[in-house]
Amino acid sequence: GAGVSQSPSNKVTEKGKDVELRCDPISGHTALYWYRQSLGQGLEFLIYFQGNSAPDKSGLPSDRFSAERTGGSVSTLTIQRTQQEDSAVYLCASRNWAKDHGYTFGSGTRLTVV
Amino acid sequence: LAKTTQPISMDSYEGQEVNITCSHNNIATNDYITWYQQFPSQGPRFIIQGYKTKVTNEVASLFIPADRKSSTLSLPRVSLSDTAVYYCLVGPRERDAGNMLTFGGGTRLMVKP
Repeated sequence: GAGVSQSPSNKVTEKGKDVELRCDPISGHTALYWYRQSLGQGLEFLIYFQGNSAPDKSGLPSDRFSAERTGGSVSTLTIQRTQQEDSAVYLCASRNWAKDHGYTFGSGTRLTVV
Repeated sequence: LAKTTQPISMDSYEGQEVNITCSHNNIATNDYITWYQQFPSQGPRFIIQGYKTKVTNEVASLFIPADRKSSTLSLPRVSLSDTAVYYCLVGPRERDAGNMLTFGGGTRLMVKP
């Protein structure tokens, strides 16, 4: 597609439930990133995928967080046993390293854990 | 990774030029400087990127002094729609040189009528 698509745009879940957030990057972008943004805060790096290389998971805050990227395209971020502190906007970005235009971000998924 | 420091907030009026300065004292030789703009409920949007001296595009200018320890984003004749958070990022552009770019808190620009 023309941009990075994320779904759902909003998600309300009960504490302890698992959630899956989806990111559909720009076609042809081999690099995909997940960031988290708490209310009024900057962006916190979570995980990075580049082609077929092993992902950089160094930003994942706990083992309740995991992500996968199937076929080098769509990515899913999974949060197990959600906690209230997981409430944030989860942003996905993709990038074409052959061009100088930086990251293209999606509009994010606003996750609220109640 | 180079840490960046920006003012937390700035106010301006329509039609004025706005300059937002970012400090990055530990910038590395292969690091580039990139600025993003973020509106509420949207992801950040690329504005401009540079390595040294001056870069200009249809949206903004980026001024980088010779020592590259700071950079200034210049927005000419701002309008109300330029009210947003502006992030300065410093990091390598090459794919395999490290990718955990750190976004700081950004500068919240408020443009008043």
